[in-house]
Amino acid sequence: DARVTQTPRHKVTEMGQEVTMRCQPILGHNTVFWYRQTMMQGLELLAYFRNRAPLDDSGMPKDRFSAEMPDATLATLKIQPSEPRDSAVYFCASGLSSSGNTIYFGEGSWLTVV
Amino acid sequence: GDSVTQMEGPVTLSEEAFLTINCTYTATGYPSLFWYVQYPGEGLQLLLKATKADDKGSNKGFEATYRKETTSFHLEKGSVQVSDSAVYFCALTQGGSEKLVFGKGMKLTVNP
Repeated sequence: DARVTQTPRHKVTEMGQEVTMRCQPILGHNTVFWYRQTMMQGLELLAYFRNRAPLDDSGMPKDRFSAEMPDATLATLKIQPSEPRDSAVYFCASGLSSSGNTIYFGEGSWLTVV
Repeated sequence: GDSVTQMEGPVTLSEEAFLTINCTYTATGYPSLFWYVQYPGEGLQLLLKATKADDKGSNKGFEATYRKETTSFHLEKGSVQVSDSAVYFCALTQGGSEKLVFGKGMKLTVNP
């Protein structure tokens, strides 16, 4: 059963620390998304890759966030330094650009910054 | 820009009640429309979708019809179950893009 895998599932860290979240997209998928979910803002798109190239990161705070795809099987989202307002659930999703727009979500990384 | 507006709830229903969750959208062109569901502690799962006007998406007893004239994609189910308790998100993509624009989500609780 193919699925998007995210690590860590849960992370508690202190303000100022670096946080790295990892995502393994479904094998063969060529689009990858990072979304952030909070009670106040709902689901926000942070970054979007196609064939490992960043297409849109306009929703991502550039001063502290960065997103990369070192290879087709790994996407990373890094926060440095982390702040309490970054506490949220971060979802990775992947899709195949020829499949009629259906994308599949991972179970999320639940981040708490204290 | 493109946007989705949906009922935010929370909503509590009794088992076997009828469910409607309203969703309207603002978009240029002809978006594809989606309903995603998020069960507690899990990621989002695609529930159903429609890619052109008058299409009806259906899955697990849920239905939604793409209404271009009212720019709506309301979700309905005739008889909800306790297992339908979840957060429901309406979303769209535009012009062949895979980027999903989500509504705020609506939490549904179904009591026995």
